[in-house]
Amino acid sequence: AQSVTQPDIHITVSEGASLELRCNYSYGATPYLFWYVQSPGQGLQLLLKYFSGDTLVQGIKGFEAEFKRSQSSFNLRKPSVHWSDAAEYFCAVGAGLTLGRLYFGRGTQLTVWP
Amino acid sequence: KAGVTQTPRYLIKTRGQQVTLSCSPISGHRSVSWYQQTPGQGLQFLFEYFSETQRNKGNFPGRFSGRQFSNSRSEMNVSTLELGDSALYLCASSLWDRVRGSSYNEQFFGPGTRLTVL
Repeated sequence: AQSVTQPDIHITVSEGASLELRCNYSYGATPYLFWYVQSPGQGLQLLLKYFSGDTLVQGIKGFEAEFKRSQSSFNLRKPSVHWSDAAEYFCAVGAGLTLGRLYFGRGTQLTVWP
Repeated sequence: KAGVTQTPRYLIKTRGQQVTLSCSPISGHRSVSWYQQTPGQGLQFLFEYFSETQRNKGNFPGRFSGRQFSNSRSEMNVSTLELGDSALYLCASSLWDRVRGSSYNEQFFGPGTRLTVL
């Protein structure tokens, strides 16, 4: 069965510092991987996705993620964090190309210090 | 294009009542999925509808049900509400487009309905 682990519940970084949020997945076939961001009281916004091809994917708001099959990881990175990036970040794996079902990690809460 | 809309945004009910939540997908999207988000359990999949048919279901009791209309709009219903049903209910829509490389996995979420059960 599919599952996603986000080892870090809460991360605090200073504005301007680099960021890496970790995500490990469990899936028997080629995974369809996503990162979403959620601001307080809001729904989920898609940051980026990986289906196939280049293992380094670019997303919105300056985020990127790297798929590493050997490590079953899909870590999210940003070279310089802005105060507006403070939010909760969710990693998710899809159930299959034709199924509208995602398995989510428990999320990582990001705090940004000025 | 307008995004996914959900109504109402906030709802307060008492135990034993029932509630209906509504979701309008992005125009052209035919798949609608529902999720429950709670601090204790995180984001959990409820069910997915495509072409008015439920084709995928999560591990929730029968008190949770849904339906989809011919215009792809969807509703979910929770009967005999319990305190533990208090949550943010999120709706997401998606489409499969080989040319764009998108799939039903690529889901676009609405703002959610915050349900409080007293």
